[in-house]
Amino acid sequence: AQTVTQSQPEMSVQEAETVTLSCTYDTSESDYYLFWYKQPPSRQMILVIRQEAYKQQNATENRFSVNFQKAAKSFSLKISDSQLGDAAMYFCAYGGNQFYFGTGTSLTVIP
Amino acid sequence: GAVVSQHPSWVICKSGTSVKIECRSLDFQATTMFWYRQFPKQSLMLMATSNEGSKATYEQGVEKDKFLINHASLTLSTLTVTSAHPEDSSFYICSARTSKRDEQFFGPGTRLTVL
Repeated sequence: AQTVTQSQPEMSVQEAETVTLSCTYDTSESDYYLFWYKQPPSRQMILVIRQEAYKQQNATENRFSVNFQKAAKSFSLKISDSQLGDAAMYFCAYGGNQFYFGTGTSLTVIP
Repeated sequence: GAVVSQHPSWVICKSGTSVKIECRSLDFQATTMFWYRQFPKQSLMLMATSNEGSKATYEQGVEKDKFLINHASLTLSTLTVTSAHPEDSSFYICSARTSKRDEQFFGPGTRLTVL
């Protein structure tokens, strides 16, 4: 069965600094997607970034980028130039035949 | 981007009554919709997966007679909590996906409080 693990329940970062959130997963599938979702206090789930497993190039979206290590089944999220609005819960998710979420990382941005 | 709506956003009901939550994909056809439950400061727990025109597939431990799911069209799925009890109080989130094995688009969630 597929699993998604986020080992950091809480993280904090100084405003304008860089932070990396960790995620590992386990799967036997070869065709899948990986996602990072953000859930602010409003609780609306927002897609931050997406990576297709067959693509070797790491996805980037403005200040957000991933380090996708397929062999190691690792998918970390790097947030550069952190802003106060980045404070939220971040969920790593696996999308294959099924969809699985990690337990989440609560990110605090310190002014 | 694709938009998913949920109605109502917040509902309070008496114990023993039934509550229906609607999930609509506004600008795309959703062949698959998902229903999640989220407790405070926890991750989303998948309750069931529904495909248009067929019976929903429930996750282990989720009572299908209590949480009735109907996916009558490509844009609408409903979750009915029957004979609600205070322990059913939670945040319920739906999501929708097209036929591609791609991202899920999430609704804004429904906060259910059972008195």
